[in-house]
Amino acid sequence: LAKTTQPISMDSYEGQEVNITCSHNNIATNDYITWYQQFPSQGPRFIIQGYKTKVTNEVASLFIPADRKSSTLSLPRVSLSDTAVYYCLVGTPSGSARQLTFGSGTQLTVLP
Amino acid sequence: EPEVTQTPSHQVTQMGQEVILRCVPISNHLYFYWYRQILGQKVEFLVSFYNNEISEKSEIFDDQFSVERPDGSNFTLKIRSTKLEDSAMYFCASGFRGGLSTDTQYFGPGTRLTVL
Repeated sequence: LAKTTQPISMDSYEGQEVNITCSHNNIATNDYITWYQQFPSQGPRFIIQGYKTKVTNEVASLFIPADRKSSTLSLPRVSLSDTAVYYCLVGTPSGSARQLTFGSGTQLTVLP
Repeated sequence: EPEVTQTPSHQVTQMGQEVILRCVPISNHLYFYWYRQILGQKVEFLVSFYNNEISEKSEIFDDQFSVERPDGSNFTLKIRSTKLEDSAMYFCASGFRGGLSTDTQYFGPGTRLTVL
């Protein structure tokens, strides 16, 4: 299983763009990169998934460089409600359920 | 949007008692999971269930734990004899495909289990 490394915490202000980077140096050829969000006392929630280059949906963008050894979750114009823990996971659609190994994540705190 | 639901939201029990945590996965999903999160710690995988049998389980999922899909809608986690260290938030999740796919792992709101 590919190990991921993220910053423990980040602070931002409302309206700013937030970029959270995840390192996954031993990512395998078939692995996808997936980001989850977790609010206190709630289950993790899928945000975005990508394989290479850039993926964008209605809530975030995911930037993946050519070597795929890292990825960056970009949250545009954050609000107070974006305060949560963000997890980066790496794995394959047909792989083991153990791939959903949530590390410590990044605690994002959005300040007014 | 379809949701995974869990009951109860909070369960308090005495050490040594049996508890059953209930989940209703999203209706057309095929893969079902239980996770736990001890307060302030990571989300930990417990077990995955597919085609009416356990497909994977972690070291945490010992003989005290069991899972069942008693009918077409419910998915349950039973802890036979609870210990203090079983106190945690338990999350159920379901997915149409297994592994880490784009339509993966919709999590329920969790059941907070407190063992006294």
